[in-house]
Amino acid sequence: GAVVSQHPSRVICKSGTSVKIECRSLDFQATTMFWYRQFPKQSLMLMATSNEGSKATYEQGVEKDKFLINHASLTLSTLTVTSAHPEDSSFYICSAGPQGTEAFFGQGTRLTVV
Amino acid sequence: GNSVTQMEGPVTLSEEAFLTINCTYTATGYPSLFWYVQYPGEGLQLLLKATKADDKGSNKGFEATYRKETTSFHLEKGSVQVSDSAVYFCAINPTGGTSYGKLTFGQGTILTVHP
Repeated sequence: GAVVSQHPSRVICKSGTSVKIECRSLDFQATTMFWYRQFPKQSLMLMATSNEGSKATYEQGVEKDKFLINHASLTLSTLTVTSAHPEDSSFYICSAGPQGTEAFFGQGTRLTVV
Repeated sequence: GNSVTQMEGPVTLSEEAFLTINCTYTATGYPSLFWYVQYPGEGLQLLLKATKADDKGSNKGFEATYRKETTSFHLEKGSVQVSDSAVYFCAINPTGGTSYGKLTFGQGTILTVHP
């Protein structure tokens, strides 16, 4: 199947700093990628749809200035958590897939803000 | 809105025991239904899917049947193995079809199988 790689798998940062998470499609081109977030013991919640060459589409309640998404190429989308605070600590995971097929997920990134 | 309710875990079983993880959903229209599995340290992988009522998805000994009348998609396996230990997520694509689109997930169920 298709491979989606996410980096880093874990990151610890200080409150007030920014953190960038990368999502790459290794063997296919992805015009669209999806970013999810999971709080402990809760569902994965869709945060935004990343669109290559255009602005991301954010779900209701997600702060676009807090979670910056850049999809500058057909194989890379980045999520930057700006001015991170402890409440941003969570598990972030991306997905993508060749059009019309199943979703392939990255390994996820565990963000801890201290 | 769309939602998925999954059986709370964790679930702990002995090897060769029967497994059921319940999943019910709320959606308008005719969603596609999925089970994903996440092994330790890995990303989510599609385990099985069903796209219309009465369809049965199956893979690696796991099965789930799309029950429109009860809006359910319960996951079953007749004899679990230690290697099945993982987190299982039920998900729906409210727009239907098999495309990857936007998924709505349940909260996940941790399964631990002991020898």
